[in-house]
Amino acid sequence: QVQLQESGPGLVKPSETLSLTCTVSGGSISSYYWSWIRQPAGKGLEWIGRMSASGSTNYNPSLKSRITMSLDTSKNLFSLKLSSLTAADTAVYYCAKVSGSWFDPWGQGTLVTVSS
Amino acid sequence: ENVLTQSPGTLSLSPGERATLSCRASQSVSGSFLAWYQQKPGQAPRLLIYGASTRATGIPDRFSGSGSGTDFTLTISRLEPEDFAVYYCQQYGSSPMYTFGQGTKLEIK
Repeated sequence: QVQLQESGPGLVKPSETLSLTCTVSGGSISSYYWSWIRQPAGKGLEWIGRMSASGSTNYNPSLKSRITMSLDTSKNLFSLKLSSLTAADTAVYYCAKVSGSWFDPWGQGTLVTVSS
Repeated sequence: ENVLTQSPGTLSLSPGERATLSCRASQSVSGSFLAWYQQKPGQAPRLLIYGASTRATGIPDRFSGSGSGTDFTLTISRLEPEDFAVYYCQQYGSSPMYTFGQGTKLEIK
């Protein structure tokens, strides 16, 4: 079955840009939508955005000005860039496959800390 | 934005008891677009229910979902020790936009 694995730096400085990658195995990325979701420590879940294999993107309006998502079908992965980081962006970042209107499966998550 | 409010914030029950978790939306949600997840400490959320009432693959039948419009419920008929976790509801709406409830923590009494 499809499995997802996030990768990226654990520590990023304020004002810099975060770059995360989600590698998909067990299935082709050329179908479905693919999403990023984040969760600050001890808090709830926030949807960041989604991307289709055709390149269509939809972003959370609260983050839209700072987000770029991309997808590489040759490598079966998709990526997130989040700019102008602040401490409020410190969270566990998950990637997930969008199935219909829900998320399944999810990656294990990667902790990103924004600190100087 | 369609805000989802889950209640109670924390639910304290014993194994074997029945759990009823509520998710109320500020705007009507199509039943097809409401899902529930379970999250244990240090783990990613796991899909339990989609389409308001359809169990995901491998989910035990003690988990059931119901509701329509703005009021949805997740019921766990007889709690097992592994069911104690945080539960989130999630909806998909126009724009498109996905939102989650703030979560209900189900703890052992």
